Amino acid sequence: EVQLLESGGGLVQPGGSLRLSCAASEFIFTNFGMAWVRQAPGKGLEWVSVVSASGGTTFYADSVKGRLTISRDNSKNTVYLQMNSLRAEDTAVYYCAKLGWLQDIDYWGQGTLVAVSS
Amino acid sequence: DIQMTQSPSSLSASVGDRVTITCRASQGIRNDLAWYQQKPGKAPKRLIYAASSLQSGVPSRFSGSGSGTEFTLTISSLQPEDFATYYCLQHNSYRLTFGGGTKVEIK
Repeated sequence: EVQLLESGGGLVQPGGSLRLSCAASEFIFTNFGMAWVRQAPGKGLEWVSVVSASGGTTFYADSVKGRLTISRDNSKNTVYLQMNSLRAEDTAVYYCAKLGWLQDIDYWGQGTLVAVSS
Repeated sequence: DIQMTQSPSSLSASVGDRVTITCRASQGIRNDLAWYQQKPGKAPKRLIYAASSLQSGVPSRFSGSGSGTEFTLTISSLQPEDFATYYCLQHNSYRLTFGGGTKVEIK
């Protein structure tokens, strides 16, 4: 069974930085794109970013462009989300997600909470 | 970006009821649509992919239909474990978009 294990969440002050990691296993990591999706408290799901299987192509939601950076290390089966210049509105549970052959999301991690507050 | 309008945002239903949830895309997305169920404190779970294909292990009371701009998720006979929030996701481009969600509550 596919496993996605996020880490790196926590409490950070506005303007601060955080790096989330997602360790993937039980599938051929280099064959699939990966994504980050977030969910603010009591709100719906919001797509954040996608990275292609090779890591050469990335896309971002307008709300995070220029502040959040997705990357992957295919030698470590890990995808990252570098979060800079954090704002209160970035407070959310961040889910790591695997893209399927159709480019939709077929598996999700358990989520990691990022809280931005002074 | 493609916008997804999901309706209703919430509904109350009884066990055994037939429930239908709709998502409309702001432009044609072929059948590049999936449906997810999320329970409180848990990650979403895929129910339907390619608009109408049932995810392995998902009960057959769940079905999806549609193509282009209008899509529906139907639960033919609501069960107690189906009370949850449901989301559609368009993946016609890498810039994914979710619908706003539908919370299905017990009447």
